[in-house]
Amino acid sequence: SSVLTQPPSVSVAPGKTARITCGGNNIGSKSVHWYQQKPGQAPVLVIYYDNERPSGIPERLSGSNSGNTATLTISRVEAGDEADYYCQVWDVSSDHRVFGGGTKLTVL
Amino acid sequence: EVQLVESGGGLVQPGGSLRLSCAASGFTFRSYEMNWVRQAPGKGLEWVSYIRTTSTTVYYADSVKGRFTISRDDAKNSLYLQMNSLRPEDTAVYYCAREGRTTVGGMDVWGQGTTVTVSS
Repeated sequence: SSVLTQPPSVSVAPGKTARITCGGNNIGSKSVHWYQQKPGQAPVLVIYYDNERPSGIPERLSGSNSGNTATLTISRVEAGDEADYYCQVWDVSSDHRVFGGGTKLTVL
Repeated sequence: EVQLVESGGGLVQPGGSLRLSCAASGFTFRSYEMNWVRQAPGKGLEWVSYIRTTSTTVYYADSVKGRFTISRDDAKNSLYLQMNSLRPEDTAVYYCAREGRTTVGGMDVWGQGTTVTVSS
């Protein structure tokens, strides 16, 4: 199965841009999804199919995917963006769903 | 309102069994692929199992294969996870999650989770 590597933590000041990476072998050939999880809550899908936003997700969140790295970008970061973020793919070779280890976003 | 509600969690001894349920409402359950995802205390998300519509295809993570069984009852709008031979490392919050029909595999609806604790 695919292995997805995320940095354990990312810190950013309010109003700045946060970038959370998700590394994987040829991940650019897969559809990447991103989830936001706040303490004590269930995950929420914030980006699907690399760069599509579900309804209700602000335009400040965007995604990209190429080569061996997918990236979740959060512009104009707000205190409410502080959460854990997970990337996920469907591993076609095994038909398994795979999550990255997660990144804790801290707003300074 | 689109909703998933898990139940069936609890405390079980190592080697024991438990059956989790997930009740769906607000959408046409039979038309959606479903997953179980778990999260051990203080850890990240771990995919557990997947079931296709009409139950034609199921998949399991290597960590649970041979011990867990996923199933669905479309007449009851319900998803299940039968867990046997439980181990302490199965301790986690278990979520059911829907794969959206327009989200290319992204899980767009999640339940609130049910907690499973495996301990003697």
